[in-house]
Amino acid sequence: DTGVSQDPRHKITKRGQNVTFRCDPISEHNRLYWYRQTLGQGPEFLTYFQNEAQLEKSRLLSDRFSAERPKGSFSTLEIQRTEQGDSAMYLCASKGRHGDTQYFGPGTRLTVL
Amino acid sequence: DQQVKQNSPSLSVQEGRISILNCDYTNSMFDYFLWYKKYPAEGPTFLISISSIKDKNEDGRFTVFLNKSAKHLSLHIVPSQPGDSAVYFCAASMNYGGSQGNLIFGKGTKLSVKP
Repeated sequence: DTGVSQDPRHKITKRGQNVTFRCDPISEHNRLYWYRQTLGQGPEFLTYFQNEAQLEKSRLLSDRFSAERPKGSFSTLEIQRTEQGDSAMYLCASKGRHGDTQYFGPGTRLTVL
Repeated sequence: DQQVKQNSPSLSVQEGRISILNCDYTNSMFDYFLWYKKYPAEGPTFLISISSIKDKNEDGRFTVFLNKSAKHLSLHIVPSQPGDSAVYFCAASMNYGGSQGNLIFGKGTKLSVKP
């Protein structure tokens, strides 16, 4: 297994459009996290899945954001009615059942025009 | 309110010398600490971690020291190499006691290693 993968790597969209990102975690990692990173900041937690259950959501996750993890494998993060303030790097990380370390994917860079 | 702080935005070191990156935290409930390295337009790459029950962990050229009483940790890189030039993030989490283990990151320190 080659690690966490994310698709697309880059996305440019116009304000008001919907976008969806995909994350494929490391095989058999049951825990999956989404983070967002803006310029000059460290990554900030958005939401967490254990298997298919979404167990925690940050207050950063407005009602325009929704995340899913059907069947406990890959996850999608959708942003509806995008705003310029949504421009950021969206990062996905996964962690194994017995591990303490999160491993990150390459990220999806979103630019909202 | 920043729970994890990296007070040095940048650090410049000569190749072959030691690089010391510092991190302070405020939440005494953190029980696991990690260092990640990040290049532009890429995701963070895990470097090294330490549990709160230890005060030192070593992996090759990288050593992390934890001082719980001071709520301070540091990453030592010896010897520094030009390929180490990147942004380094300190992160902390609460893996036990009912927490989901999400990471709290500092703002990063940009390390430049000059040949």
